[in-house]
Amino acid sequence: AQSVAQPEDQVNVAEGNPLTVKCTYSVSGNPYLFWYVQYPNRGLQFLLKYITGDNLVKGSYGFEAEFNKSQTSFHLKKPSALVSDSALYFCAVRAKTGFQKLVFGTGTRLLVSP
Amino acid sequence: EPEVTQTPSHQVTQMGQEVILRCVPISNHLYFYWYRQILGQKVEFLVSFYNNEISEKSEIFDDQFSVERPDGSNFTLKIRSTKLEDSAMYFCARRDRVQETQYFGPGTRLLVL
Repeated sequence: AQSVAQPEDQVNVAEGNPLTVKCTYSVSGNPYLFWYVQYPNRGLQFLLKYITGDNLVKGSYGFEAEFNKSQTSFHLKKPSALVSDSALYFCAVRAKTGFQKLVFGTGTRLLVSP
Repeated sequence: EPEVTQTPSHQVTQMGQEVILRCVPISNHLYFYWYRQILGQKVEFLVSFYNNEISEKSEIFDDQFSVERPDGSNFTLKIRSTKLEDSAMYFCARRDRVQETQYFGPGTRLLVL
């Protein structure tokens, strides 16, 4: 069965500092991995994905994530946080074969202070 | 990437009533999904729909739920007899044939009283 763990309910970072939002996953076979962001009272907005190829993937708004197969992790990073990055971030996984459903983590609230 | 639109944005209903949530894809995609997010909890998969058939459903998607694409355009989720615990944000998502990314609509907030 697929699962995603986001160990931190909230991450606090000062504007201009680097940020990391952690995600680990469990899936049979090779994974497809995704990050989504949710602003208050809004839908889920796609940020980036890992399908195959380079372990470091770059996405929208300066975010990037590194796929680490040995650690089964896909942490989200940004070199310099903005106050406007404050939102709820979800990591999701699906298996490359078989079912298409996304399995989401519980979400991590990112709070960037001025 | 264009997303999908969902109607209504909010719906309040009485327990036991039927509700229909609508998802309108902007372009002609084949793969559709419904997810829900109970307040403060994680996003949960309900059902996937491909080529006008259900391809996968979760244990949440019981006989009270149904999906269809009645006019070849709108994609609907029907809850026949709503329960209090159906109160949640319901998201529609679509995926095209090539891309693996699911793009989500803005959601319908359902409140069952």
